Amino acid sequence: RKEVEQDPGPFNVPEGATVAFNCTYSNSASQSFFWYRQDCRKEPKLLMSVYSSGNEDGRFTAQLNRASQYISLLIRDSKLSDSATYLCVVNTGTGRRALTFGSGTRLQVQP
Amino acid sequence: NAGVTQTPKFQVLKTGQSMTLQCAQDMNHEYMSWYRQDPGMGLRLIHYSVGAGITDQGEVPNGYNVSRSTTEDFPLRLLSAAPSQTSVYFCASSYSIDSGNPTYNEQFFGPGTRLTVL
Repeated sequence: RKEVEQDPGPFNVPEGATVAFNCTYSNSASQSFFWYRQDCRKEPKLLMSVYSSGNEDGRFTAQLNRASQYISLLIRDSKLSDSATYLCVVNTGTGRRALTFGSGTRLQVQP
Repeated sequence: NAGVTQTPKFQVLKTGQSMTLQCAQDMNHEYMSWYRQDPGMGLRLIHYSVGAGITDQGEVPNGYNVSRSTTEDFPLRLLSAAPSQTSVYFCASSYSIDSGNPTYNEQFFGPGTRLTVL
């Protein structure tokens, strides 16, 4: 089983739609969580960290469910510019000192 | 601040050749790492460093060497290139990797090197 799993998509949604992605992680000791965004043929960039209480940044909302070991990203009022791949990232805080990246979920927002 | 810089942007090698991918950061970050990204497989960690003089293996280290003689530089050496090493390589840095303060975990990535091995 992969440490971090995501539905690869693509998710094709019209402008203005609300879309949600989930990501599951296997290590229950994982301590911090992030969503990164990667545009085609570009480097990944941090979108937002995910806090236990959930957090919101404009149209983006991230949630953490430790009991079920998943994190989610909700995008409201989708824009064409939201088209990208969204990477789920986990820091287990133990063992290998590195972040673990999911394979990404591709979002295509259509006019 | 230039952030994280990588050179070259593109490279074509023949099987068996060696080369070094350069990575530098000017943010005084302690933590640096190298990833490769292949279609459908996401980012896979090759090697990482938690500070000058300290390196360790990641998930896919075979065929690659690294060194960290300064805080700023973290070159990746391909010892004898193979077609399986055709990939996009990203270097990244952050203040730390310790999970105590996630704010310091933000990875800043370079623009990547697209490597083809024939």
